[in-house]
Amino acid sequence: EIVLTQSPATLSLSPGERATLSCRASQSVSSQLAWYQQKPGQAPRLLIYDASNRAAGIPARLSGSGSGTDFTLTISSLEPEDFAVYYCQQRISWPPTFGGGTKVEIK
Amino acid sequence: EVQLVESGGGLVQPGGSLRLSCAASGFTFSTYPMGWVRQAPGKGLEWVSTISGSTTKTYYADSVKGRFTISRDNSKNTLYLQMNSLRAEDTALYYCAKYFSVNSGSIFDYWGQGTLVTVSS
Repeated sequence: EIVLTQSPATLSLSPGERATLSCRASQSVSSQLAWYQQKPGQAPRLLIYDASNRAAGIPARLSGSGSGTDFTLTISSLEPEDFAVYYCQQRISWPPTFGGGTKVEIK
Repeated sequence: EVQLVESGGGLVQPGGSLRLSCAASGFTFSTYPMGWVRQAPGKGLEWVSTISGSTTKTYYADSVKGRFTISRDNSKNTLYLQMNSLRAEDTALYYCAKYFSVNSGSIFDYWGQGTLVTVSS
């Protein structure tokens, strides 16, 4: 199965700062990678699919990039509601797998 | 508005069984593949199982293959997960999730709030 490694595990930033989250795949997933956000006590929320396409209702300050094995989720200017855990997930092969998550916390 | 509401979780002894349900509304249920994803306490997300819209195809994680069975009743807009031979490591919050589109592959665009399964003696 494809292993997704997310880094860093925790990102401590202040509101207004730029966040850069990384997801690396153990083999190529082409562009078939999604990003989800999860807040405490809530279900995950789809943010980005196919590496760079924003899901419905996702603000433009969130963007995804990358292909093959290296992917990035960028939040251009952190808003209070962006502090959460973020997961990447590949869909190119069975089983679909998730990364271990990056927690973006308030510094 | 898409809604997914899970039920059926609870405390069960090792070796026991549970049946989870997920009531769906707000979309044409029979059209979309559906899946179950679980999250152990304080841990990350793990895909468990998927079923096609027509119910002809099912897929399972190796960790549950042979013990769990996914099914759906399109007349009732309901997804199920029958869990047998439960183990302590199956303890998790189980989410029902809708696929983004018929042919999108495993992109989950809507999730329920989850139902907690605790396997303990």
